Amino acid sequence: DAGVIQSPRHEVTEMGQEVTLRCKPISGHDYLFWYRQTMMRGLELLIYFNNNVPIDDSGMPEDRFSAKMPNASFSTLKIQPSEPRDSAVYFCASSSSLAASSYEQYFGPGTRLTVT
Amino acid sequence: EDQVTQSPEALRLQEGESSSLNCSYTVSGLRGLFWYRQDPGKGPEFLFTLYSAGEEKEKERLKATLTKKESFLHITAPKPEDSATYLCAAGRGGSNYKLTFGKGTLLTVNP
Repeated sequence: DAGVIQSPRHEVTEMGQEVTLRCKPISGHDYLFWYRQTMMRGLELLIYFNNNVPIDDSGMPEDRFSAKMPNASFSTLKIQPSEPRDSAVYFCASSSSLAASSYEQYFGPGTRLTVT
Repeated sequence: EDQVTQSPEALRLQEGESSSLNCSYTVSGLRGLFWYRQDPGKGPEFLFTLYSAGEEKEKERLKATLTKKESFLHITAPKPEDSATYLCAAGRGGSNYKLTFGKGTLLTVNP
């Protein structure tokens, strides 16, 4: 299996621009998670989906952030407009409720976002 | 509010020098305690899940243990390739899929 795939790996943008991060979960996984990692705050859960439906978005920092999962193999995290404080590494992870160890989350390589 | 605290923030060991990393948690109705390894520039990699106090799991030079308030990751005779950041995360009752992560311990093993 190719694992969780994220794109782009690096994104540099100017303040005020729209940023879209993409994620392809592991085939067959029914949970998808978006995290943000910074030195100050560590790894924070932003939102997670079950069977393409958002379950908990309480970690989304502001209305500037939105996430969608149009189908089981694709999700996006959008920031509009972006601000310098959004600079971080964004991870996507997936897991399967049917697996023996159903709470194991498998992470992608991350997208390093820099907003100037 | 759920809290997970890891100590120390950084640990430097000589090859072969055993030690332990600590993860203390305050989570309502813990359903699982997870350990991950993260290498620079990569996503966290799953290591262990512990579900109840007294449980232990081992993988190569690593052994994870769990009490009602904390978990330890014991590293026996570490090698330079064990150098990484080790993350601990807690899943709360009723929603085990939502994890609260600690900030991690950066382990450096010198040859």
